[in-house]
Amino acid sequence: QKEVEQDPGPLSVPEGAIVSLNCTYSNSAFQYFMWYRQYSRKGPELLMYTYSSGNKEDGRFTAQVDKSSKYISLFIRDSQPSDSATYLCAMSGNAGNMLTFGGGTRLMVKP
Amino acid sequence: DAGVIQSPRHEVTEMGQEVTLRCKPISGHNSLFWYRQTMMRGLELLIYFNNNVPIDDSGMPEDRFSAKMPNASFSTLKIQPSEPRDSAVYFCASSRVEGWQPQHFGDGTRLSIL
Repeated sequence: QKEVEQDPGPLSVPEGAIVSLNCTYSNSAFQYFMWYRQYSRKGPELLMYTYSSGNKEDGRFTAQVDKSSKYISLFIRDSQPSDSATYLCAMSGNAGNMLTFGGGTRLMVKP
Repeated sequence: DAGVIQSPRHEVTEMGQEVTLRCKPISGHNSLFWYRQTMMRGLELLIYFNNNVPIDDSGMPEDRFSAKMPNASFSTLKIQPSEPRDSAVYFCASSRVEGWQPQHFGDGTRLSIL
């Protein structure tokens, strides 16, 4: 079993829909939780990061962390075709800066 | 500000040849990471450096892989000899080393070994 599990998708939604992307993990030492967006033939781009449990909002994006359930989510409101990409969750502990990535979820937002 | 710069963007070579991938981290960042991305295994950390010193190379798959960071603004990942199973996209990322800092990625080198 992988340390971080992420549904690979693809997830196809109409423009304007609310998108929910999720990851589960097994390592209780993870303290930092990140979401990266990766367009085709580009590097991962950091979207948001949070420390420990709670919510964080940035424009149309909201990240949630539930450490008791070992479950993190990224919500995208009013999704746009430009949001079509692969979304990667990543996590790390307090010691050092090594990231463990999920496998990525491919999202397609149709106009 | 310039991001992480990787070269070449694409590399196609024959099995057995030496391959050298290059990375210039963001100025002021003193941690550097090399990753490999494949469809089957996703993003895997190969090695990372703090202040030019290799800290963890447990992800380096074989002795055919080596990485160096001769100064704060340049790193190389070398594969010698290359094999078809090394075909992947190789990413470099950098961050500040103080406390916890997010990593910023380059656009990768797409490597094909024939």
